[in-house]
Amino acid sequence: QSVLTQPPSVSGAPGQRVTISCTGSSSNIGAGYDVHWYQQLPVTAPKLLIYGNSNRPSGVPDRFSGSKSGTSASLAITGLQAEDEADYYCQSYDSSLSGWVFGGGTKLTVL
Amino acid sequence: QITLKESGRTLVKPTQTLTLTCTFSGFSLSTSGVGVGWIRQPPGKALEWLALIYWNDDKRYSPSLKIRLTITKDTSKNQVVLTMTDMDPVDTATYYCAAHVGYSGYALFDYWGQGTLVTVSS
Repeated sequence: QSVLTQPPSVSGAPGQRVTISCTGSSSNIGAGYDVHWYQQLPVTAPKLLIYGNSNRPSGVPDRFSGSKSGTSASLAITGLQAEDEADYYCQSYDSSLSGWVFGGGTKLTVL
Repeated sequence: QITLKESGRTLVKPTQTLTLTCTFSGFSLSTSGVGVGWIRQPPGKALEWLALIYWNDDKRYSPSLKIRLTITKDTSKNQVVLTMTDMDPVDTATYYCAAHVGYSGYALFDYWGQGTLVTVSS
């Protein structure tokens, strides 16, 4: 049972927009800790996709965007491409656990 | 260029102790703000943070595994070592070494190793 809750799966056709939610609590996202997102392509290590709720590292396409409100955060992907098919994880910090916490991951399928 | 690579035994028996080494390059663990941690991922499951050590030797552990984990660093060798005692088949997972180098002020991992699959079986 992950501390941050994500939908197990989402899907969309090429060119469409999808969103992935990440729900936390008052000891992590709701406490003001930033949310970061990682993309894990099949059989590879995770890669930082969004940091500080809504910022993209250099090289990440602007099709990827993030937002945060209250105890939740969201990752949006527009103009879906086949290469976006991957697992996506949100991550934050939890003050009750004094440590880093991840979501359960969301598998994105491009139809 | 920043790289991290995990090494250690990939098959351990139940009750044994696992020792994993993360050897990195392209940054120094003596630089203020830098941290190196371990995250694991059981087959088909989610990421789970285990431990992290900072440049100033501040160590953090997952509360649920704290009694079994020890993280240390050797700055001169650019290595971080994780030991996990009393291994069980449920500890079978890919173990990743990951670093926080950039993005000062954020608790994240911006560089990851390729991971090493550790299987616990008799």
